[in-house]
Amino acid sequence: EAQVTQNPRYLITVTGKKLTVTCSQNMNHEYMSWYRQDPGLGLRQIYYSMNVEVTDKGDVPEGYKVSRKEKRNFPLILESPSPNQTSLYFCASSFPTSGSGEQFFGPGTRLTVL
Amino acid sequence: GENVEQHPSTLSVQEGDSAVIKCTYSDSASNYFPWYKQELGKGPQLIIDIRSNVGEKKDQRIAVTLNKTAKHFSLHITETQPEDSAVYFCAARNTGNQFYFGTGTSLTVIP
Repeated sequence: EAQVTQNPRYLITVTGKKLTVTCSQNMNHEYMSWYRQDPGLGLRQIYYSMNVEVTDKGDVPEGYKVSRKEKRNFPLILESPSPNQTSLYFCASSFPTSGSGEQFFGPGTRLTVL
Repeated sequence: GENVEQHPSTLSVQEGDSAVIKCTYSDSASNYFPWYKQELGKGPQLIIDIRSNVGEKKDQRIAVTLNKTAKHFSLHITETQPEDSAVYFCAARNTGNQFYFGTGTSLTVIP
């Protein structure tokens, strides 16, 4: 089944404790992206990647890191989480702009930073 | 950067009526405009999209129109059904492949 998977789905952590949210897709998509969703703000793009070893900042990259060592994986790293990073996070993937452009979203990771 | 505004934030319609959601964008170079439906507890799912070289696109009960001059695009859902109840998001992609989303519209279809 074609899908984007994220782990963990739920996470409660404390300020300053490094964490990684994993994202994996099995559709051979070049483009991958991370978003955070907050009430009243919609989805905001954190980082995106056009292909392996190519990453770019989105609209709200502060406090986050990403890496793209393999085509299928795009982990989101919070080196020192703070309470304002409490949010619902989505990973998405798609073919590049020359393709359909449709982004497939994962099920989401709900993060709480105490 | 791009700024996408979406209205209304909530919308209630009677089953069988039409629903219209409108979005405006600021970057005239944006070239791709998708619409997503998000059901409770799930990730957004694409329902229809339109590219900047097209003015209108239709898929059964759903249509999207784009006015590049005015920099706005709209989602039209006809013959609404209870299962259309969800949160809908518009988005715009710029030439740098960044996506900017609207703040969402919560649609309720009343049986």
